[in-house]
Amino acid sequence: QQQVKQSPQSLIVQKGGIPIINCAYENTAFDYFPWYQQFPGKGPALLIAIRPDVSEKKEGRFTISFNKSAKQFSLHIMDSQPGDSATYFCAALAGGTSYGKLTFGQGTILTVHP
Amino acid sequence: KAGVTQTPRYLIKTRGQQVTLSCSPISGHRSVSWYQQTPGQGLQFLFEYFSETQRNKGNFPGRFSGRQFSNSRSEMNVSTLELGDSALYLCASSFGGSTEAFFGQGTRLTVV
Repeated sequence: QQQVKQSPQSLIVQKGGIPIINCAYENTAFDYFPWYQQFPGKGPALLIAIRPDVSEKKEGRFTISFNKSAKQFSLHIMDSQPGDSATYFCAALAGGTSYGKLTFGQGTILTVHP
Repeated sequence: KAGVTQTPRYLIKTRGQQVTLSCSPISGHRSVSWYQQTPGQGLQFLFEYFSETQRNKGNFPGRFSGRQFSNSRSEMNVSTLELGDSALYLCASSFGGSTEAFFGQGTRLTVV
């Protein structure tokens, strides 16, 4: 019940394309859903996050879509660039006493070709 | 504003030894969480500290321990190292443990 399932494992798009990464969860206690971007040799960097009372959130070229009834959320990267090539992780945090305990998806390796 | 600082960046240890990793959170952040990242298991939560108290713990053996100091800096200790402990160890800081968490660059531990 604590799992977050992420797909696809890898994704290749052309520059300007719109890669979409999907995540699904079971635990209805999750109430905070961030996305992280990680480059080789670096720690994950927070990209954007959403709470279940919102169905969509945009920050720059990154958009989260959230479907509470389906328990799914996704990341869209508009006008993707080669510099966006990285591993992307979705995560979820439960309210209550689950302090600091992010549950991560397995990651998606994104490659953007010039 | 300085980010999360982890030291050292790289470590090579021998099986059976112990190791201590350090994490300095973003100024003003009082929650520090630790994660283990491996290719096979991904990112897994170890524990979280707030105001020098461990509030949450993941499913790791007792060989993994931590502590937090009054200035919010945190250390993580692994005793009796095993080959399987080779991983990237990441710490994340947040204001209270339930909001945005920011990661450091990690400590790459190799056990030989």
